[in-house]
Amino acid sequence: AQSVTQLGSHVSVSEGALVLLRCNYSSSVPPYLFWYVQYPNQGLQLLLKYTSAATLVKGINGFEAEFKKSETSFHLTKPSAHMSDAAEYFCAVSRGFQGAQKLVFGQGTRLTINP
Amino acid sequence: ETGVTQSPTHLIKTRGQQVTLRCSSQSGHNTVSWYQQALGQGPQFIFQYYREEENGRGNFPPRFSGLQFPNYSSELNVNALELDDSALYLCASSLRGNTGELIFGEGSRLTVL
Repeated sequence: AQSVTQLGSHVSVSEGALVLLRCNYSSSVPPYLFWYVQYPNQGLQLLLKYTSAATLVKGINGFEAEFKKSETSFHLTKPSAHMSDAAEYFCAVSRGFQGAQKLVFGQGTRLTINP
Repeated sequence: ETGVTQSPTHLIKTRGQQVTLRCSSQSGHNTVSWYQQALGQGPQFIFQYYREEENGRGNFPPRFSGLQFPNYSSELNVNALELDDSALYLCASSLRGNTGELIFGEGSRLTVL
């Protein structure tokens, strides 16, 4: 069975500081990994995805994530936080086979940006 | 691209009632998935539809059912509503064979009293 653990339900950083949101996964097969962002009262928007190509994945809005198989991690980073980055972030894992494209989500991390 | 649209955006029901939520998938997408997101939680997979048939189901009871129509739009039906069914219901469309890249709608927030 696949699962995702997001370390820290709340993360607070100052504007301009480094953003680091942690995600560890468990999967019996090579995983596909995703980060989604959810702004208040909105659906989920895909930030980036890892699909067994390059281990460092660049996404939208300056975010990137690195797949580390040895650590079973897929942490999300952004060098300099902006006020507009305040949102809920979800890490998700998928088996990525031709059948049901089921995503298993973590519990989410709420990111707060301090001025 | 028109994106994924869901209706209604908010609704209130009482315990025991039935509810139908609707979703129009993004143009060109042939697969629709439904997720339940309880307050403060990550979304949980309910089921997926492809070619008008259920194509995978999560750990939800049979009173959660769905339909997909020839134009790929979809409905989620929940019978005998319980208080714990209160949640944001998210619809997502994708192209079958895609590596799990789902396009989500803004959701329907259901409150059961």
